[in-house]
Amino acid sequence: AQSVSQHNHHVILSEAASLELGCNYSYGGTVNLFWYVQYPGQHLQLLLKYFSGDPLVKGIKGFEAEFIKSKFSFNLRKPSVQWSDTAEYFCAVNNNQGGKLIFGQGTELSVKP
Amino acid sequence: EAQVTQNPRYLITVTGKKLTVTCSQNMNHEYMSWYRQDPGLGLRQIYYSMNVEVTDKGDVPEGYKVSRKEKRNFPLILESPSPNQTSLYFCASSPGKAPGGELFFGEGSRLTVL
Repeated sequence: AQSVSQHNHHVILSEAASLELGCNYSYGGTVNLFWYVQYPGQHLQLLLKYFSGDPLVKGIKGFEAEFIKSKFSFNLRKPSVQWSDTAEYFCAVNNNQGGKLIFGQGTELSVKP
Repeated sequence: EAQVTQNPRYLITVTGKKLTVTCSQNMNHEYMSWYRQDPGLGLRQIYYSMNVEVTDKGDVPEGYKVSRKEKRNFPLILESPSPNQTSLYFCASSPGKAPGGELFFGEGSRLTVL
């Protein structure tokens, strides 16, 4: 069965530090990949998505992610985090054939000012 | 304003008392889905619908029912709620028949079953 794994449950960084959040999925076919962000008390919002083409995708607020097919990974990065990036981040995978969208467990990011 | 609206936002109920959480979207989206969010488990898909009268199970459908009689509405029904259904529920919609595009989420419905 399809699954998504986010290795870091809680990450604590100081402002201006670089960020990388891991995401691995298990599915052998073509996939669509997403990162969503949930700010405290709010619903999820799309950060970025990958369907095909350039494996390095850029999203909103300076975030980017790299799809490495051989590693089944889609890690999220940001060169310099801000206090306002404090939120929970979710990786999600769709198998491009049906209606299932599988989310990872989420990574809580706390940025200290 | 484009939005997904869920009601109620907060509900406390007792075991066995049937309840319905409504979800409505005004974006003419074909795809709609329900998720529950629990600490440490992320979001888990309950049911989804790729078109009117077309629904299918997600990963955790037990204890839930849905219907899609109209394009804009996708209610979640708990026929006999139990305490393990205490959770935060999100409805979402997306253009197209599958979640290949951006999912638009509702504000969430926090349900407590005593």
